Amino acid sequence: EAGVTQSPTHLIKTRGQQATLRCSPISGHTSVYWYQQALGLGLQFLLWYDEGEERNRGNFPPRFSGRQFPNYSSELNVNALELEDSALYLCASSLDRDQPQHFGDGTRLSIL
Amino acid sequence: AQSVTQPDIHITVSEGASLELRCNYSYGATPYLFWYVQSPGQGLQLLLKYFSGDTLVQGIKGFEAEFKRSQSSFNLRKPSVHWSDAAEYFCAVGAGGYQKVTFGIGTKLQVIP
Repeated sequence: EAGVTQSPTHLIKTRGQQATLRCSPISGHTSVYWYQQALGLGLQFLLWYDEGEERNRGNFPPRFSGRQFPNYSSELNVNALELEDSALYLCASSLDRDQPQHFGDGTRLSIL
Repeated sequence: AQSVTQPDIHITVSEGASLELRCNYSYGATPYLFWYVQSPGQGLQLLLKYFSGDTLVQGIKGFEAEFKRSQSSFNLRKPSVHWSDAAEYFCAVGAGGYQKVTFGIGTKLQVIP
């Protein structure tokens, strides 16, 4: 069984640009979570999607957005990139909201 | 709001020595508690969890953790560390199972021969 897959592995952008990160959950999983892991800040919850709907949102500005597609894959979009957006972005999926999250290996976003 | 404190940013232990990683949480009700491990370049893997019941929980890879309500702690332990345990360890607290989970800042474990 394939795990959670994220693409791209690395992404380099400049300030003001827009970034799109993608996540494919484990087959059969309907919940997708996004986290930001910035240096020295630990893991911060970003977004939670379940059955195509945004269910919860962390304390991030609106330029962080996303969506979940009918096949349960998900995109995270970050607009107007700032230097402090440089981080590892982790996606996780779960069978449903009450099941353990399985994490992907992340997308490393670097802002120059 | 819930919060997690991992007071040790970096710990070094000798292979074969015992390990204890500290975690303190803040939450008004009975918390859902987790320990995750992150190996370099990889995502997080759930080591163990506490939802209710026995306060000493066993996890994968020989790890265990003890929930102590009086101390608001959920420390992770392993009796004998292996070189492959070198990784970053995250304690987390949830308000409702796996949702709305708050992670600690992580403890980086170095294992020396």
